[in-house]
Amino acid sequence: RKEVEQDPGPFNVPEGATVAFNCTYSNSASQSFFWYRQDCRKEPKLLMSVYSSGNEDGRFTAQLNRASQYISLLIRDSKLSDSATYLCAVISNSGYSTLTFGKGTMLLVSP
Amino acid sequence: ETGVTQSPTHLIKTRGQQVTLRCSSQSGHNTVSWYQQALGQGPQFIFQYYREEENGRGNFPPRFSGLQFPNYSSELNVNALELDDSALYLCASSFGTGELFFGEGSRLTVL
Repeated sequence: RKEVEQDPGPFNVPEGATVAFNCTYSNSASQSFFWYRQDCRKEPKLLMSVYSSGNEDGRFTAQLNRASQYISLLIRDSKLSDSATYLCAVISNSGYSTLTFGKGTMLLVSP
Repeated sequence: ETGVTQSPTHLIKTRGQQVTLRCSSQSGHNTVSWYQQALGQGPQFIFQYYREEENGRGNFPPRFSGLQFPNYSSELNVNALELDDSALYLCASSFGTGELFFGEGSRLTVL
């Protein structure tokens, strides 16, 4: 089983839609959780960290479910500019900041 | 702009050759991590350098090696290139175990 798994998509949604991505992780000792956004042929950029209590940043909401070992990202009121690949990342070893990434989920928002 | 710069941005090599990729970390950062991202995959951790010492390594063969210099810049060297080494190589800098900031990557094509 891969350490971090995501549905690769693509998710095709119209503008204004709400879309949700899930990501599962296998190491129950994982410490920290993140969502990154990656545009085509560009570097990953941190979208948001994911906290146990859940967190929201504008149209984006992230949740962590430690019992079921998954994290989620909800995007409300999708914009064309949200089209990208969303990477889930986990830090399993608190000794150093090594990210383990999923393969990413592609989102395509259409007019 | 993250302040992490990588060079070269693109390069083409043939099987069996050697390549050196370079990374300048963001000012104030003392830790550099290298990731390999093959097409359609998430970034895979290669290794991390902290204060000029290797501080963790992923599942990559010894022909992948690195250096960190006193100014915290870093090099990734790959010997005996194989076709499967074709990928985007990402450098990320951080201050200790803090947030990672990625450079734009070096895209390597092995023919």
